[in-house]
Amino acid sequence: QVQLVESGGGVVQPGGSLRLSCAASGFTFSSYGMHWVRQAPGKGLEWVAFIRYDGSNKYYADSVKGRFTISRDNSKNTLYLQMNSLRAEDTAVYYCAKESPVTTVFDYWGQGTLVTVSS
Amino acid sequence: DIQMTQSPSTLSASVGDRVTITCRASQSISSWLAWYQQKPGKAPKLLIYKASSLESGVPSRFSGSGSGTEFTLTISSLQPDDFATYYCQQYNSLWTFGQGTKVEIK
Repeated sequence: QVQLVESGGGVVQPGGSLRLSCAASGFTFSSYGMHWVRQAPGKGLEWVAFIRYDGSNKYYADSVKGRFTISRDNSKNTLYLQMNSLRAEDTAVYYCAKESPVTTVFDYWGQGTLVTVSS
Repeated sequence: DIQMTQSPSTLSASVGDRVTITCRASQSISSWLAWYQQKPGKAPKLLIYKASSLESGVPSRFSGSGSGTEFTLTISSLQPDDFATYYCQQYNSLWTFGQGTKVEIK
């Protein structure tokens, strides 16, 4: 069965950095695009970033462009999100999500990891 | 950027009711529209993709329709497990979610 397990969340000061990881299992990780999606406390969902199955293309939301970097290691079945220059408004639960084999929607999600940006 | 607007933001309904949620896109997205269900403290779950295609394992009481800029999610007979927040998402140009519709018990 598909499993996505995020880790790396925590409390960080404004301007700081954090790297999130998403360990994937139960499917051929190297065949699927992957996403990061976040949800601020009590708010809706916001797409953050996407990486193609082979890492050849990456896309970012305007709100994180230039500060966040998505990457993957297909040999380790792991997705990453490097977050730099963090702001209070980046406080959220961060989910990784797998691309559907049928179309570019998100068919499996992890349980999320909480990032809190606060002094 | 494509903006997605859902209505209503909150919906009060009873078990057995027929429920309809609307999602409007700021420009045409053809049928590149998905619906997700999210319960408190849980990850979202894919219900429908390509506006009207039911994801495997999703009960048939859920249905979607629409194309272009206007879309609907219908729950034909609301069940206790359906009280949750629902999000539409466009994937015509990158990905954008609507603000969500909370379906609560009347």
